[in-house]
Amino acid sequence: DAKTTQPPSMDCAEGRAANLPCNHSTISGNEYVYWYRQIHSQGPQYIIHGLKNNETNEMASLIITEDRKSSTLILPHATLRDTAVYYCIVSIYTDKLIFGTGTRLQVFP
Amino acid sequence: DAGVIQSPRHEVTEMGQEVTLRCKPISGHDYLFWYRQTMMRGLELLIYFNNNVPIDDSGMPEDRFSAKMPNASFSNLKIQPSEPRDSAVYFCASSLGQGAYEQYFGPGTRLTVT
Repeated sequence: DAKTTQPPSMDCAEGRAANLPCNHSTISGNEYVYWYRQIHSQGPQYIIHGLKNNETNEMASLIITEDRKSSTLILPHATLRDTAVYYCIVSIYTDKLIFGTGTRLQVFP
Repeated sequence: DAGVIQSPRHEVTEMGQEVTLRCKPISGHDYLFWYRQTMMRGLELLIYFNNNVPIDDSGMPEDRFSAKMPNASFSNLKIQPSEPRDSAVYFCASSLGQGAYEQYFGPGTRLTVT
């Protein structure tokens, strides 16, 4: 079973920041937080990962709370192409990713 | 690089027939994963290989499913005999080493068993 809890759906206006929360209260000290997304009919796409520090790349930022029990994925300027299902996953490595139900993000004009 | 390549993209077959799905991982990647996605069960890991050796097949639903990786450039997933409940999108993914953090997914094969 997935070790994360995410809201089933969220809306965001185009150009605004999308903040996607994830709860992972049972995370172990050596488990990373990964984020993937799946645009309709495509294979999932890696976005970002982190252990305990905040991370940023060209796609998004990942904010992990100090106790590591929750995190937030931030898309700073959402576009219509960011409409997708976003999966938050905790795992030691990438060997075995357990995908939950994710958050369906709808970006509207 | 062309990314992970899967074939066929769509497969329609009748119940009882053998189905073979194919995957070519990204060159140099030593991990290969097979997933299945349905509306009811979401995205499930079926099996994964490291250096062509199956590491964990605990997600394979039953004996009708088998997967092989004869070399670093190719893997197949077979279903024999196929059943309507096998209808799903099957994804193949590859990654570079255990320390890698990113799996690269293929476009998937949509299987319909009638």
